[in-house]
Amino acid sequence: GDSVTQMEGPVTLSEEAFLTINCTYTATGYPSLFWYVQYPGEGLQLLLKATKADDKGSNKGFEATYRKETTSFHLEKGSVQVSDSAVYFCALVNGGYQKVTFGTGTKLQVIP
Amino acid sequence: DAGVIQSPRHEVTEMGQEVTLRCKPISGHDYLFWYRQTMMRGLELLIYFNNNVPIDDSGMPEDRFSAKMPNASFSTLKIQPSEPRDSAVYFCASSFGQSNQPQHFGDGTRLSIL
Repeated sequence: GDSVTQMEGPVTLSEEAFLTINCTYTATGYPSLFWYVQYPGEGLQLLLKATKADDKGSNKGFEATYRKETTSFHLEKGSVQVSDSAVYFCALVNGGYQKVTFGTGTKLQVIP
Repeated sequence: DAGVIQSPRHEVTEMGQEVTLRCKPISGHDYLFWYRQTMMRGLELLIYFNNNVPIDDSGMPEDRFSAKMPNASFSTLKIQPSEPRDSAVYFCASSFGQSNQPQHFGDGTRLSIL
């Protein structure tokens, strides 16, 4: 079946540092890929998405590129802020039904 | 636009009691999902519906859990009888039925079973 693997957290960075959170996936066909973010006390919300190979999703300074050759969708941001502290989930949807396969989540803590 | 609305936001009850969680999806969305989130197990899909019909309930822990969607604008998740190990945050999410469309989550119900 489909699966998503993302790096273990927590990740602790200083403000303005460069962020990378690795995500790889296993799926047949051509899934759509997503990054969701969860702030404390809230539900998950979409951060960005990419629906085909070589697409780059971007939002709020975050970027991720759909790499089919390496089955990866790594999340990057050039300069993190304290307000980016949250849990980040990599996810995919594959096929006709909308069932999402989520990674385990990576907690990011940004310190001033 | 109103997002996914869940109620109650917090529920504290004693073991053995019946618990009912409610969800109103975004209007026009044809998929509805129930998730459970705990520190130990992370985010688990319990059940999901398409056009009010349950598609996959393989994540429902046991017969004490049941979910219904009587119409396109309302769903319930019921636990009877409740147990302390059911304590978790329960999320409802909805989406529009194409694979490139994201799910929209409610803010969750934090359930504590004493």
